[in-house]
Amino acid sequence: QKEVEQNSGPLSVPEGAIASLNCTYSDRGSQSFFWYRQYSGKSPELIMSIYSNGDKEDGRFTAQLNKASQYVSLLIRDSQPSDSATYLCAVKMGSSASKIIFGSGTRLSIRP
Amino acid sequence: DAGVIQSPRHEVTEMGQEVTLRCKPISGHNSLFWYRQTMMRGLELLIYFNNNVPIDDSGMPEDRFSAKMPNASFSTLKIQPSEPRDSAVYFCASSLGPGIHSNQPQHFGDGTRLSIL
Repeated sequence: QKEVEQNSGPLSVPEGAIASLNCTYSDRGSQSFFWYRQYSGKSPELIMSIYSNGDKEDGRFTAQLNKASQYVSLLIRDSQPSDSATYLCAVKMGSSASKIIFGSGTRLSIRP
Repeated sequence: DAGVIQSPRHEVTEMGQEVTLRCKPISGHNSLFWYRQTMMRGLELLIYFNNNVPIDDSGMPEDRFSAKMPNASFSTLKIQPSEPRDSAVYFCASSLGPGIHSNQPQHFGDGTRLSIL
């Protein structure tokens, strides 16, 4: 089992709809969770972080964490064409103070 | 604030040659990470340093790869000898490390696109 798993996509969502991206992780001791956005040919950029169970909202983005189910998700409301990118889930492993493992990413495409 | 700075941005060289990639982390960050990204394997952690000390190099593919961090503001990743399968984008990232800042995310440089012919 991979340490961090995501559906590779592509996930196609109509403009204005909600895009839902999912991620599961294997290390029960993990405490920190991040979502990065990566445009083609660019470096990953942090868009959300979450550390506690529940929802965390930032503008059009909502991160959801369920540690019991080892599941973290990212919702993008009112999807825009500029949201088309690959979204990487990253998890800081509980056994290591600094090591962060990235999922393989989900490619999101917003269709006009 | 300057972000993570990597050089060169692009490198094309012939197999067998030595390749050196460079990284300057964000000032004040004490954790530094080297990643490799390919279409097939995604983003792979190669090695990370905390306070200039290598903590985990289990992702380094083989002995041809080596990394150093002689001081808090500079790190290198070296491949010798290089092979075509090393072609990838190599990212350096930095973060505030363990302790009270242990929840801090990583900030990435623009990457080095490496092509080995």
